[in-house]
Amino acid sequence: DGGITQSPKYLFRKEGQNVTLSCEQNLNHDAMYWYRQDPGQGLRLIYYSQIVNDFQKGDIAEGYSVSREKKESFPLTVTSAQKNPTAFYLCASSHLGATNEKLFFGSGTQLSVL
Amino acid sequence: GDSVTQMEGPVTLSEEAFLTINCTYTATGYPSLFWYVQYPGEGLQLLLKATKADDKGSNKGFEATYRKETTSFHLEKGSVQVSDSAVYFCALMAQNTGNQFYFGTGTSLTVIP
Repeated sequence: DGGITQSPKYLFRKEGQNVTLSCEQNLNHDAMYWYRQDPGQGLRLIYYSQIVNDFQKGDIAEGYSVSREKKESFPLTVTSAQKNPTAFYLCASSHLGATNEKLFFGSGTQLSVL
Repeated sequence: GDSVTQMEGPVTLSEEAFLTINCTYTATGYPSLFWYVQYPGEGLQLLLKATKADDKGSNKGFEATYRKETTSFHLEKGSVQVSDSAVYFCALMAQNTGNQFYFGTGTSLTVIP
């Protein structure tokens, strides 16, 4: 079955530690996105990528980094510079170019600080 | 810039009640509009969409009509069920910003038997 796989489901970070969230898709989508979800604030865009080896900052990129070495994969690193990392992180993907395109979402990763 | 404003929750309804969740948008150009649903601990799933003015999206008894004159895309369902309890997000996709998606803050719906 085609879809987006995020791992792990739950992740704990110690002070000063970098952690990486995995996102893999087998939908052959060009575009991939990372969103952060906090209670009552909806979804905020962290980074997005429309092509391999290229990505753009979203609204809240500070303290995060990404890479897009393969079309299928878009890992997100939460660095020690992100002072309030506790949130639910959602990865998504889509085709590009058509007006009727939609986002496909993974099941999310809940990150908490120890 | 482009944005979506949706009705704040939480909303609590009895089973079989009528549901409306308001959504208005601001966009340059002609965005596509979406409603997504999120069940606890899961990602978002597309509920319905509309790509041009006067289009009506529908799915699982939910409907929403793309109203360009009022810049709205309100979600409605005639008779809600307990299984409809979830968080609902209105969203737009703006092609003139590289297919970026903009989401509302979400509206939590609880349906009680």
